[in-house]
Parts: sequence; structure tokens; C-alpha cells
Amino acid sequence: AQTVTQSQPEMSVQEAETVTLSCTYDTSESDYYLFWYKQPPSRQMILVIRQEAYKQQNATENRFSVNFQKAAKSFSLKISDSQLGDAAMYFCAYRSAPGGAGSYQLTFGKGTKLSVIP
Amino acid sequence: DTGVSQDPRHKITKRGQNVTFRCDPISEHNRLYWYRQTLGQGPEFLTYFQNEAQLEKSRLLSDRFSAERPKGSFSTLEIQHTEQGDSAMYLCASSPGTWTEAFFGQGTRLTVV
Repeated sequence: AQTVTQSQPEMSVQEAETVTLSCTYDTSESDYYLFWYKQPPSRQMILVIRQEAYKQQNATENRFSVNFQKAAKSFSLKISDSQLGDAAMYFCAYRSAPGGAGSYQLTFGKGTKLSVIP
Repeated sequence: DTGVSQDPRHKITKRGQNVTFRCDPISEHNRLYWYRQTLGQGPEFLTYFQNEAQLEKSRLLSDRFSAERPKGSFSTLEIQHTEQGDSAMYLCASSPGTWTEAFFGQGTRLTVV
């Protein structure tokens, strides 16, 4: 079974600065998807960014980018120019590729609570 | 399109009572998922529907839990004989395809006293 580990329960960043959230995962599969989800207080979880394991290029979405190291099984999220609205729980998640075991489901880490200091 | 809707948002029940939650997915999304999230943890997968067919169930879904999706539209999750350990946030998500982004609802927070 796949596992996802987020070793930073809490992080803080000054507004306009850059912060990196860490995520490692364990799998024996070669093809899979990785995601970062954001869960603001009392609001629904939304997708921040996704990465397909077969793609070597790191995904980027505006101020959000990832550092995907497949051999190291590491998938960190970098938030540039942090804004007050970035304050939330961030979850790293794994999903098997089509045809893989449990490929319908997302496996989440425990999350990192990000605070943004004005 | 107002997104995935869950009802109720909060539910307090006494131990031993039955509870039912409802999820209305985004229209035309034929995939629907239920997750459970306890305090300090990430969401854990419970079950998955493709249209009206329940295709996958987690071992977390004990016999006291049942989920349905009649006619492939809204879904209900029922917990019978609730226990204090059932206290959690129950999240519903939907997607237009299996390999596309899942859109989450705001969840139903269950407290069993």
C-alpha cells in the first residue's frame, strides 16, 4: 500500500516571502499522480497543483510550483510571493495510474498548516 | 454550477443513533467519492461510485456504514448505531472522469456524544 508523509505539521511565512512544504511518499509503482490540495478553514478542499510521474518537468501554476524527485520519492510545494489567502492546511496526495491498485482513490498525508504573517 | 453540496454541515447525535448524510455532486459528474477526515489527519477514502454502481469500498467502511447513489445522482451515507469513534468530517467529492480532478464539498462534521 502507498503511504504519504508530510513531516511539517505547521509552517509559517512572512507575506510576500517564499515557503516550501515537504512531502515524501512510498510506492512500488512506476506510474502514478501526485497532488497538492489546499483546505482553508471551514471551506472545501481545492486542488492546487498536480504532477504526473511520467513527466520529468516540474508542474507550475502561477505562484505555486513543485520539486518532483522521483528517485527520492519526494514532492515538495513551493509557494512564491505568499499572500494572506494562502493560509490553510495543505495536503499532499497520491493516486495510482489507471489500472493500478486502488486507482480510484487518493491517499493523503496528514497535512501541513501554513500561517501567513502580515 | 454551485459545486459539490453536502447536507447537513454539522450533525450532533447520541451514541447508538443512526445518521444519514447527503451529497449532491456537480451536475453531469458521474464519479462520486466519500472520504472521512478525523482531527489532525488527512482524508481517508471510504467508497467510490461510478454512476449508480458502487465500485470500490475501503476496509474502513464497516457493516454499520452504507452508501447509495440511486439513479446516479445524489448520494447518501448512512451510519447505523453510531459510536464515538465515528466522530469526524465526512467529505464528498465528484469528478467527470476517473482520471480527472476531484472536486470536494465542504463536508459534514459529525459529533457523536
